[in-house]
Amino acid sequence: AQSVTQLGSHVSVSEGALVLLRCNYSSSVPPYLFWYVQYPNQGLQLLLKYTTGATLVKGINGFEAEFKKSETSFHLTKPSAHMSDAAEYFCAVSDPPSSGGGADGLTFGKGTHLIIQP
Amino acid sequence: DGGITQSPKYLFRKEGQNVTLSCEQNLNHDAMYWYRQDPGQGLRLIYYSQIVNDFQKGDIAEGYSVSREKKESFPLTVTSAQKNPTAFYLCASRTDFNYGYTFGSGTRLTVV
Repeated sequence: AQSVTQLGSHVSVSEGALVLLRCNYSSSVPPYLFWYVQYPNQGLQLLLKYTTGATLVKGINGFEAEFKKSETSFHLTKPSAHMSDAAEYFCAVSDPPSSGGGADGLTFGKGTHLIIQP
Repeated sequence: DGGITQSPKYLFRKEGQNVTLSCEQNLNHDAMYWYRQDPGQGLRLIYYSQIVNDFQKGDIAEGYSVSREKKESFPLTVTSAQKNPTAFYLCASRTDFNYGYTFGSGTRLTVV
């Protein structure tokens, strides 16, 4: 069974500062990993995903994440926070189809609420 | 543009009533999913379907039912057996092409 742990239910940073949102996963096989952003009363928008290949993944809005197998981590970063980054962020994991998994969708972390201080 | 449409956006239900949440997609995706979102709980899987006329229970299926009569449609019924139905419900679909998930904009259900 998979699981996802997001460290910190709330993270506060100043505008222009580095954003670091932490995600650790548990999986029996090398997983597919995802970061989503959610604005109030809206659906989820994909920021980036890792399936195979390069372990440093660049996404939309200046976000990036690095898959570190040895640390079972997939932390999300952005060099300079903007007020518009204030939202809820979810890390998610899925077994890849090549391992016979993935049909039952994504397993999500509990989310991190990012607060941007002016 | 292709996407997922969830309706209604807000829904109010009296205790003891069944309600059905609509989810329609025009992406030609085979797989569809229903998630429930509660504050501080993340998203939890209710039901999923890989093909028409077939669906499986997720982690929190009790008190819910679904159907998949058409590829485009995956409605969720919240029955009176669901003890705490007030939540935000999200529908999603997935393509095998690039393992991309698309989410709807959600339905907020409130029991009054």
